[in-house]
Amino acid sequence: LAKTTQPISMDSYEGQEVNITCSHNNIATNDYITWYQQFPSQGPRFIIQGYKTKVTNEVASLFIPADRKSSTLSLPRVSLSDTAVYYCLVGGYSGNTPLVFGKGTRLSVIA
Amino acid sequence: GAVVSQHPSRVICKSGTSVKIECRSLDFQATTMFWYRQFPKKSLMLMATSNEGSKATYEQGVEKDKFLINHASLTLSTLTVTSAHPEDSSFYICSAPGQGADTGELFFGEGSRLTVL
Repeated sequence: LAKTTQPISMDSYEGQEVNITCSHNNIATNDYITWYQQFPSQGPRFIIQGYKTKVTNEVASLFIPADRKSSTLSLPRVSLSDTAVYYCLVGGYSGNTPLVFGKGTRLSVIA
Repeated sequence: GAVVSQHPSRVICKSGTSVKIECRSLDFQATTMFWYRQFPKKSLMLMATSNEGSKATYEQGVEKDKFLINHASLTLSTLTVTSAHPEDSSFYICSAPGQGADTGELFFGEGSRLTVL
């Protein structure tokens, strides 16, 4: 399984756009990139998934360059409630493959 | 989206006792479920893969006799922490893949916090 590297922590003011970059140099051809959000004492929650280029949904955008060795999660106009740990995971598209979590990025949004 | 529910959400037990945690897929069937544990301010660590109708697959370093996993039906997997000790105190989280053709998403339960006194 490809190893991921993310910043340990980030701070942002409310209303700003936050970009969290993840490195995954050893990503395999069949691997997808998935981001999860976790609040304290809760299970992780799926945010977004992509394979290449750009993916956008109602909560975030995911930018993946052509070489796919990194990806960037973009959260538009964050609020205090976006304070959480964000995990970047790389793995097979099939949900029957367990996801191995890295250390994640602890995002703190301040007023 | 699909819902995965865990019970209990919190449990406190005495050292030496056994504790069972249930993980249910409420509106879909899950032939596979994954169990994770998480220590404070740490990431999730995969413990084992639970397979309906067959033995669980444990990750290296996880004692299968201590963490008993049973996947008795397509909607229920249980994790039993046997002879619990304070070092087993942790946040245990289960997850299941969405049903259907490669949804690519894992659905996680709310987690179960175990405190062993």
